[in-house]
Amino acid sequence: QKEVEQDPGPLSVPEGAIVSLNCTYSNSAFQYFMWYRQYSRKGPELLMYTYSSGNKEDGRFTAQVDKSSKYISLFIRDSQPSDSATYLCAMSEVDTGRRALTFGSGTRLQVQP
Amino acid sequence: EAGVTQFPSHSVIEKGQTVTLRCDPISGHDNLYWYRRVMGKEIKFLLHFVKESKQDESGMPNNRFLAERTGGTYSTLKVQPAELEDSGVYFCASSQEPWDMLFGPGTRLTVT
Repeated sequence: QKEVEQDPGPLSVPEGAIVSLNCTYSNSAFQYFMWYRQYSRKGPELLMYTYSSGNKEDGRFTAQVDKSSKYISLFIRDSQPSDSATYLCAMSEVDTGRRALTFGSGTRLQVQP
Repeated sequence: EAGVTQFPSHSVIEKGQTVTLRCDPISGHDNLYWYRRVMGKEIKFLLHFVKESKQDESGMPNNRFLAERTGGTYSTLKVQPAELEDSGVYFCASSQEPWDMLFGPGTRLTVT
């Protein structure tokens, strides 16, 4: 079983829709939770990070972490065609001294104009 | 400010040859990481440098892979000899804090 599970999609939504992207994980030592966006043939671009549990908002993006359920989410409000990309969740332990990120497989999002 | 840069962007080599990938991290970032994504799989960690020292090399697949970081600045990842299963995209990332890991554009390696 993978440490981080993410539905690969593709997820297709109309412009203006609210998008919900999710990951589950099994390693209770994960403390930092990141969301990256990756366009085709480009490197992952850091969108947001959250430490431990809670919510964080940045413009149209909201990240949520529920450590009791080992479940994280990224919400995109008023989605735009330019949001079409692959979204990757990633996590790290840090408190154990290990900073390596463990990634989900990524969810392909397509926002239709 | 320039981001993480990687060279080359694409490399095609034959099985058994040697390839060296280079990464220049963001200036001032002590932490440098190598990751790779092989076809159809998730991005996986290879190793982590703090300045010039290897902090964690638990993800290195075998002894055909050698990473160095000269003087705590740029890093190289050498694959010798390359095998078909080494094909994929190799990403470099750098950070100063645990939450600000920024990635380069990647090097696409094709072994034929």
